[in-house]
Amino acid sequence: GIQVEQSPPDLILQEGANSTLRCNFSDSVNNLQWFHQNPWGQLINLFYIPSGTKQNGRLSATTVATERYSLLYISSSQTTDSGVYFCAVVAGGATNKLIFGTGTLLAVQP
Amino acid sequence: KAGVTQTPRYLIKTRGQQVTLSCSPISGHRSVSWYQQTPGQGLQFLFEYFSETQRNKGNFPGRFSGRQFSNSRSEMNVSTLELGDSALYLCASSFSGGVTDTQYFGPGTRLTVL
Repeated sequence: GIQVEQSPPDLILQEGANSTLRCNFSDSVNNLQWFHQNPWGQLINLFYIPSGTKQNGRLSATTVATERYSLLYISSSQTTDSGVYFCAVVAGGATNKLIFGTGTLLAVQP
Repeated sequence: KAGVTQTPRYLIKTRGQQVTLSCSPISGHRSVSWYQQTPGQGLQFLFEYFSETQRNKGNFPGRFSGRQFSNSRSEMNVSTLELGDSALYLCASSFSGGVTDTQYFGPGTRLTVL
């Protein structure tokens, strides 16, 4: 089955710094979403981005489907950005099953 | 529009017991999927329901089952609980369950098996 790898696994930033999180996937995808898991466990939708570039405030994402990777950019990080960031994909077939990466644990220090 | 809701938020059970978790999707959404999150295995797909029918199933034993009602609310049941079933159980809803649908997650039910 499709493999989803995220890097780096852990990241520590000072408030105000910028960061780039990467998601590599091993096969073509129909769907790619980025999530932020808050300390209480809820997965918050950040982007639906199977291809192209999107921006939402301090966050932006780019997916290059032909090269099988996606990037999540966080600018001017804040302590509230801390948590785990997941990318998840839906591969071929009729199922909408999301395959999750292992996540990037981000800690933003004041 | 209200988001996905899950009840209860926390549960403590003992081995051998059974448990039922509930998920109410976003109004108008007809597809509900369930996921299990553990530190060792990460986030794994359990099953998906659409129009009261299970459409897809992950690689979990038959102790894990679910159903969906006519109002799209879904329940999952775990029988004969094992210690390894301790996890965060998340449900997600989407409009039609299509492969390009955006899925929205609830806050989760944290199950502890003693």
